[in-house]
Amino acid sequence: AQTVTQSQPEMSVQEAETVTLSCTYDTSESDYYLFWYKQPPSRQMILVIRQEAYKQQNATENRFSVNFQKAAKSFSLKISDSQLGDAAMYFCAYVADKLTFGTGTRLAVRP
Amino acid sequence: GAVVSQHPSWVICKSGTSVKIECRSLDFQATTMFWYRQFPKQSLMLMATSNEGSKATYEQGVEKDKFLINHASLTLSTLTVTSAHPEDSSFYICSAPDTALDEKLFFGSGTQLSVL
Repeated sequence: AQTVTQSQPEMSVQEAETVTLSCTYDTSESDYYLFWYKQPPSRQMILVIRQEAYKQQNATENRFSVNFQKAAKSFSLKISDSQLGDAAMYFCAYVADKLTFGTGTRLAVRP
Repeated sequence: GAVVSQHPSWVICKSGTSVKIECRSLDFQATTMFWYRQFPKQSLMLMATSNEGSKATYEQGVEKDKFLINHASLTLSTLTVTSAHPEDSSFYICSAPDTALDEKLFFGSGTQLSVL
């Protein structure tokens, strides 16, 4: 079975600083996608970044980047220059045939 | 980007009644849509995959007779919670992949169901 683990229930970062959220997954598939989603208090799910497993290059989206370690089945999210609007729940997700979410990390941003 | 509209955003109903939640892809066609359930402070759990023109695929442990899914068109999927009970109270979210955007998944804004 596919599982996604986020070992950090809560994280805190100072505004303008950098924070890294951890995610590991378990799969026997070789072809899959990994995602980070943000869920603010509105509860709207917002895609932050996506990584295709066949791509060795780490995905980046402005202040957001990932460290994808396929052999280690690790997919961490780095947020640079943190902003107050980054405060939210962050879910790591995996999909080969269906989307499976991790348990989430609540990120607080201190002004 | 693509938009998925979910309605209603909030519904309160009496125990024993049925509630229908709609999920529409506004500017793209979706042969597949997904329905999730999220309890407070928990993650999203996939309930079922809605397939246009055919039966939905339910995840293990999800009662298909209780959570009726209909995907009658390429832009609309509905989830009906039948004979609702207080334990069905939850946040329900739908999503749909846009094949024109490399299967990028777009989410509805969710429906908070409260059963009295």
